[in-house]
Amino acid sequence: EVQLLESGGGLVQPGGSLRLSCAASGFTFNKQAMTWARQAPGKGLEWVSSLRGSGDTYYADSVKGRFTISRDNSKNMMFLQMNSLKTEDTAIYYCVKGMTIPDSWGQGTLVTVSS
Amino acid sequence: DVVMTQSPLSLPVTLGQPASISCTSSQSLVTSDGNTYLTWFQQRPGQSPRRLIYKVSNRDSGVPDRFSGSGSGTDFTLRISRVEAEDVGVYYCMQGTYWPRTFGQGTKLEIK
Repeated sequence: EVQLLESGGGLVQPGGSLRLSCAASGFTFNKQAMTWARQAPGKGLEWVSSLRGSGDTYYADSVKGRFTISRDNSKNMMFLQMNSLKTEDTAIYYCVKGMTIPDSWGQGTLVTVSS
Repeated sequence: DVVMTQSPLSLPVTLGQPASISCTSSQSLVTSDGNTYLTWFQQRPGQSPRRLIYKVSNRDSGVPDRFSGSGSGTDFTLRISRVEAEDVGVYYCMQGTYWPRTFGQGTKLEIK
C-alpha cells in the first residue's frame, strides 16, 4: 500500500523559511516522479513543483526562485525548501506520487504565513 | 499556461439521478505519442484528493463503475450514472500534458 506522510508545516512570518518533508513507502521510490501540490483555505488545487526520478525539476512561476524541491532516495524522502514566504503561500501542502498521471496523495501539512 | 475550465461549478443532484461535469482545456491535451493526460480527482469534505479516472477514461481500482470518463482533444466529461450520498465533494480535472500542470476550478457536487 502506498503511503505518503508530510511533515514540517507550521506558522511562519512573511519572509521566513520552512522545509517540508514527505516520507514515502509502498512503492519503488527512486524511479518515481513526485510532486508537491497545495490548496489554499477554501480554494482549489494548485500544482507547485515536480521532480523526476532522474532529478529534473519543474516549478510553478509563483514559487520559482523561492522554493526548491529535492529528494533523498536512500531514505525514500522528498523535500520542499520554501524561502521568502509570502502570505499567499498559506495552504495545505500535499505530497503526490507521480507528475503526469498523479495517483496517491498524502494527508497534507498546513503552512500558515502570517505576522 | 493551459487553462482548464470546468462547468458547472456547483452541481445539486437528487440521489439516484445522473450527474455530469464538463472540463475544457485551452489547448489539445494529445501528446506527440498519442496519449491524452487528463485526470479526474474527487475530494470529499475534509479529505485529500483521490484519483478516479486517468488518461481520460481509465477508472482506478476500487472506483465504483458508476463513474466514467470520456472525451478527446480539448473536451472531457466525468459522468456519474446514479449519484450516491458518498459522492458529495469537489471534483477536479487536471492536465498532465504541459508544464505547468494545471487544474480546473473544481465542481462542488451536493445532494438536492
